[in-house]
Amino acid sequence: SQKIEQNSEALNIQEGKTATLTCNYTNYSPAYLQWYRQDPGRGPVFLLLIRENEKEKRKERLKVTFDTTLKQSLFHITASQPADSATYLCALGTNAGKSTFGDGTTLTVKP
Amino acid sequence: DVKVTQSSRYLVKRTGEKVFLECVQDMDHENMFWYRQDPGLGLRLIYFSYDVKMKEKGDIPEGYSVSREKKERFSLILESASTNQTSMYLCASSPGGSHTDTQYFGPGTRLTVL
Repeated sequence: SQKIEQNSEALNIQEGKTATLTCNYTNYSPAYLQWYRQDPGRGPVFLLLIRENEKEKRKERLKVTFDTTLKQSLFHITASQPADSATYLCALGTNAGKSTFGDGTTLTVKP
Repeated sequence: DVKVTQSSRYLVKRTGEKVFLECVQDMDHENMFWYRQDPGLGLRLIYFSYDVKMKEKGDIPEGYSVSREKKERFSLILESASTNQTSMYLCASSPGGSHTDTQYFGPGTRLTVL
């Protein structure tokens, strides 16, 4: 069956370090992959999208990689700040416009 | 900016009641979605709609129905609420008409069924 796994439910890092979050999937051939941020009590907010034929995408301090051979995406936040603390969700999308979400990883950046 | 609004942030209902959750988007998006989010289970798709009066079942449609009479509005209906439907309900919309679709979420409705 299709499965999406995001690394550890919680990730704690020190301010200024790079946070790396992992999204692995099985039995799935996504056309694209998205990362969302979710703060407590709020809906997810879109951050980045990467297509199956792209290896890497950047936006300010954010970087996403997508390896369709390993069936894995890595999400990096460089020079992390306490304001980056949130839950981050990966979502695999098909050309039909529907996405399947992972459970999320909760990131805490300590000052 | 895209705005997706949901009719209530918090709702408390009794078992057996009929519950309506309303969602409105203001960007003329074609696609609309209803999810529920529970600890340890993530976001699960209940129903989605690609067009007015059109609906498709998601992964967990049992106990729910939907209505999309107008493009901007997508309603989720719990015909007879049960305690296991206590959850955070999230509505989303996306532009449609392309191969990649970023979803824009509402603030969520936290429903408690007593």
